[in-house]
Amino acid sequence: QSALTQPASVSGSPGQSITISCTGTSSDVGSYNLVSWYQQRPGKAPKLMIYEGSRRPSGVSNRFSGSKSGNTASLTISGLQAEDEADYYCCSYAGSSTSYVVFGGGTKLTVL
Amino acid sequence: QVQLVESGGGVVQPGRSLRLSCAASGFTFSNHGMHWVRQTPGKGLEWVAVISYDGSKKYYADSVKGRFTISRDNSKDTLYLQINSLRAEDTAVYYCARERLYSNSFDYWGQGTLVTVSS
Repeated sequence: QSALTQPASVSGSPGQSITISCTGTSSDVGSYNLVSWYQQRPGKAPKLMIYEGSRRPSGVSNRFSGSKSGNTASLTISGLQAEDEADYYCCSYAGSSTSYVVFGGGTKLTVL
Repeated sequence: QVQLVESGGGVVQPGRSLRLSCAASGFTFSNHGMHWVRQTPGKGLEWVAVISYDGSKKYYADSVKGRFTISRDNSKDTLYLQINSLRAEDTAVYYCARERLYSNSFDYWGQGTLVTVSS
């Protein structure tokens, strides 16, 4: 069982928006503004999409956005494209005296 | 460009040891914390360990504490993971990942090396 809870799957049609939630606790997501999101395509290494909750690395489309409310972080993808189909993982810093870093179980995004 | 290349994976019997390496290039290795993250085939990501930029601080997931040792050689731009007393549940692809400065996120990943624990 993963430390952070994500829906197993989400789906949307091209052009639509979807949101993936990531629920943690007051010891991880709720305590730090250090949630990151990763995209992983089959057979590939994960790719950083969002860091520090809402910041996008250079080169990542502005269709990807992140937010947080309390113990839940969210990744929103707007204007869905076929190439967005992948697994998405959230991750949070959890403090050096505990688990340090925790991942969510991953969400499979299907573009219909 | 930033490159991380893992090596050292393979098929190993339970109870044996293995050392994974991650050769870094394209950036100042000694400036960055480095992590190991693993992924069981068909499953999710699991954080394994982190080492600070200078090697002075190391933290481990509870599931590997006492059996895994992370280390680095900044003169060789190389990260290591020593894995002892291997168990079937350690079977996974092991990725090394660079920590983005000050953000506890992983901005570059290697291609991964597969460790299979089997008799």
